[in-house]
Amino acid sequence: DTAVSQTPKYLVTQMGNDKSIKCEQNLGHDTMYWYKQDSKKFLKIMFSYNNKELIINETVPNRFSPKSPDKAHLNLHINSLELGDSAVYFCASSPLGQGVQPQHFGDGTRLSIL
Amino acid sequence: ELKVEQNPLFLSMQEGKNYTIYCNYSTTSDRLYWYRQDPGKSLESLFVLLSNGAVKQEGRLMASLDTKARLSTLHITAAVHDLSATYFCAVPLYNFNKFYFGSGTKLNVKP
Repeated sequence: DTAVSQTPKYLVTQMGNDKSIKCEQNLGHDTMYWYKQDSKKFLKIMFSYNNKELIINETVPNRFSPKSPDKAHLNLHINSLELGDSAVYFCASSPLGQGVQPQHFGDGTRLSIL
Repeated sequence: ELKVEQNPLFLSMQEGKNYTIYCNYSTTSDRLYWYRQDPGKSLESLFVLLSNGAVKQEGRLMASLDTKARLSTLHITAAVHDLSATYFCAVPLYNFNKFYFGSGTKLNVKP
């Protein structure tokens, strides 16, 4: 069973379009995250949710809007895509606030903007 | 903002050799995590270091944490080609709601 699953795995689209990425975890974790990994492999947190509540919102453009319908799902909607949005987006989850377990990552969504 | 620095960023080594990857961080934390990422793949957890002086070993990899020096090391013993990957350290803040990752160390083990 896949612990953290993201769809789609690949997303190729044109500048200006709107797209969504979905994430689901079946680990029973309370905290979910979105990360962006750029072409140099640098990994930076974008958002963090605890039990559907937004906790961390890094200085991410308003074009990015996360939504957590329940604690097992965290989706990411991106409006008006720009060339600089090309990256790999990872969803992750972890148990709430204990830190004794690592984050579990999804396989990533490779977003390419033409 | 917390800074997490890894060095080296690139490491090319021969099979059978030993080497150490360093991870320095700029603020107090008593936890540190190491992950491995293969090309085009997800991040896989290697070690969770939970306190000062923690040492964990798995196969040819050994990780340690010195919270006073704000330093973690990942030591590779008798490297094999299968260890070729990018290794990341990560430090938590804000009650584990935010993790700062190092830039990654790309390891290439040559046969």
